[in-house]
Amino acid sequence: SAVISQKPSRDICQRGTSLTIQCQVDSQVTMMFWYRQQPGQSLTLIATANQGSEATYESGFVIDKFPISRPNLTFSTLTVSNMSPEDSSIYLCSVPDTDYGYTFGSGTRLTVV
Amino acid sequence: GENVEQHPSTLSVQEGDSAVIKCTYSDSASNYFPWYKQELGKRPQLIIDIRSNVGEKKDQRIAVTLNKTAKHFSLHITETQPEDSAVYFCAASKGSGAGSYQLTFGKGTKLSVIP
Repeated sequence: SAVISQKPSRDICQRGTSLTIQCQVDSQVTMMFWYRQQPGQSLTLIATANQGSEATYESGFVIDKFPISRPNLTFSTLTVSNMSPEDSSIYLCSVPDTDYGYTFGSGTRLTVV
Repeated sequence: GENVEQHPSTLSVQEGDSAVIKCTYSDSASNYFPWYKQELGKRPQLIIDIRSNVGEKKDQRIAVTLNKTAKHFSLHITETQPEDSAVYFCAASKGSGAGSYQLTFGKGTKLSVIP
């Protein structure tokens, strides 16, 4: 199955700043998904990142706040911009793996102070 | 879009007893239903999944059943052990692979197995 390296694993950031999260996959994948998991909550899809095209954002998430890059089929970044304490969450990337499975990165635990 | 409801939100069982978690989905086009186990501070880990062409799947102490007509699926854990304590998420998707779709997750069930 695919192996994802996600960085950083955690960070503490000042409000108003931005953080870029990276995911590197050991194989080429067409689509990559970015999820947010707020404390004690489930996973919510932020956006779907396709190589060579604009990311598709879910309702409630906008590109200005969560810009995504997908320069090739093995790499993607998610930036959390102009952060506030409400952005404190775990952010995870995910890729389709086998015919029906999905693999998750190890997650980035973000705390905004 | 897809909506996945999961119940119960918390579940406590005695060690050795069985645990059942139930989910319903809304989109009849969904055809893939995984279950994830998430331990504190860790990423979700796939424990079992089922496709819409199968009614039941079992892997040792874990089983999943699917009722496409009623649009619900369930996770069954038998002979529970303390290490089964975690948060469990159900999810639904219209499939991955070449025609990838995102997973829609239920809200999770916190399972506590009491020794």
